[in-house]
Amino acid sequence: DAGITQSPRHKVTETGTPVTLRCHQTENHRYMYWYRQDPGHGLRLIHYSYGVKDTDKGEVSDGYSVSRSKTEDFLLTLESATSSQTSVYFCAISALGQQYFGPGTRLTVT
Amino acid sequence: QQQVKQSPQSLIVQKGGISIINCAYENTAFDYFPWYQQFPGKGPALLIAIRPDVSEKKEGRFTISFNKSAKQFSLHIMDSQPGDSATYFCAASRNSGNTPLVFGKGTRLSVIA
Repeated sequence: DAGITQSPRHKVTETGTPVTLRCHQTENHRYMYWYRQDPGHGLRLIHYSYGVKDTDKGEVSDGYSVSRSKTEDFLLTLESATSSQTSVYFCAISALGQQYFGPGTRLTVT
Repeated sequence: QQQVKQSPQSLIVQKGGISIINCAYENTAFDYFPWYQQFPGKGPALLIAIRPDVSEKKEGRFTISFNKSAKQFSLHIMDSQPGDSATYFCAASRNSGNTPLVFGKGTRLSVIA
């Protein structure tokens, strides 16, 4: 599992509330990624990080922000959750040029 | 613009048969092509990957065939087993895998006895 944990694993929240998802890795990998997975869309990149405090936007970044204040943690924040952000969120790391995924967080926005 | 197109969407194969999933890409800068296997409720697991300097890579029952001129690559699962039933995703990226992956939309494989 490449030492990746995600928390929480499941969350139900109401429209308009802020939500933060956490990705934690134990092996000091430089590159980290947030993807979302939706039926019929595969996985799409939200944001990624290429070092502490170095982040960039992905294909579906609107409504999301990220922070990486230390190597091991990459946080994804939904500032004001909407129903369209109901999804499964996966964190990934790159190790020796290959990407490995965490177990995912299932988020439901009601 | 979908940069990686995957087909078929779903596939049913008899036990012992060959499963074939195809992907086509558009960006010639891509230089890393992995395949992921995903079971329900789990994260995608890296299955096998290829770089464009070779035309084929085999690991056990799984083989990637790569055609650089056609910008296509495919996954072959030999002697398919019921335990192979899962969703398979192809992907592509630049910079040998450190840049974000662009995924196909997935193929749901069912292997029936």
